[in-house]
Amino acid sequence: DAGVIQSPRHEVTEMGQEVTLRCKPISGHDYLFWYRQTMMRGLELLIYFNNNVPIDDSGMPEDRFSAKMPNASFSTLKIQPSEPRDSAVYFCASSFSRANEQFFGPGTRLTVL
Amino acid sequence: EDQVTQSPEALRLQEGESSSLNCSYTVSGLRGLFWYRQDPGKGPEFLFTLYSAGEEKEKERLKATLTKKESFLHITAPKPEDSATYLCAVQATAQGGSEKLVFGKGTKLTVNP
Repeated sequence: DAGVIQSPRHEVTEMGQEVTLRCKPISGHDYLFWYRQTMMRGLELLIYFNNNVPIDDSGMPEDRFSAKMPNASFSTLKIQPSEPRDSAVYFCASSFSRANEQFFGPGTRLTVL
Repeated sequence: EDQVTQSPEALRLQEGESSSLNCSYTVSGLRGLFWYRQDPGKGPEFLFTLYSAGEEKEKERLKATLTKKESFLHITAPKPEDSATYLCAVQATAQGGSEKLVFGKGTKLTVNP
């Protein structure tokens, strides 16, 4: 099993540009989570999906953030327009059933200049 | 609001020097408490899930315990390869079945040879 796959691993962009982060969950997992990690705030849940349907997006900071899951094997997190305060490491995680442990991807380190 | 507080923020040990990490939590009803290990530049890696007070789980030099207010991660005779940030997270029971994990900010453990 390849685990959760995220791309790109690093992204450097300029303020105002659109950023798209990608995630492939573990096959068979029906829950997918997007997190953001910063030194100040730690690991925060942004949004999660169950069977490709968004369940809770209350952690999405602003309308500039959007996430989609068009099928069971792919999800995107988009920031448009990006701002320097969006600089962080973004993690995708997946799990099998809601009570099980979540498996995290390697993360995307985003730097917005 | 569910909260997780981890202490200490950082801990330095000599190889072989046993110690404990603390995770205090406030949650309306606990579904599960999770421990993760995170190495620099990587995503969190699952270690344990504890479900009820009095439960204990072990893995190599690590043992996790749970009370109604806190969890401890005991590290016995640590080795340098145990150096990492250890994250604690709680999952609450809630009407409607929230799957959210609320994470603490972690304890950064350094084990010197």
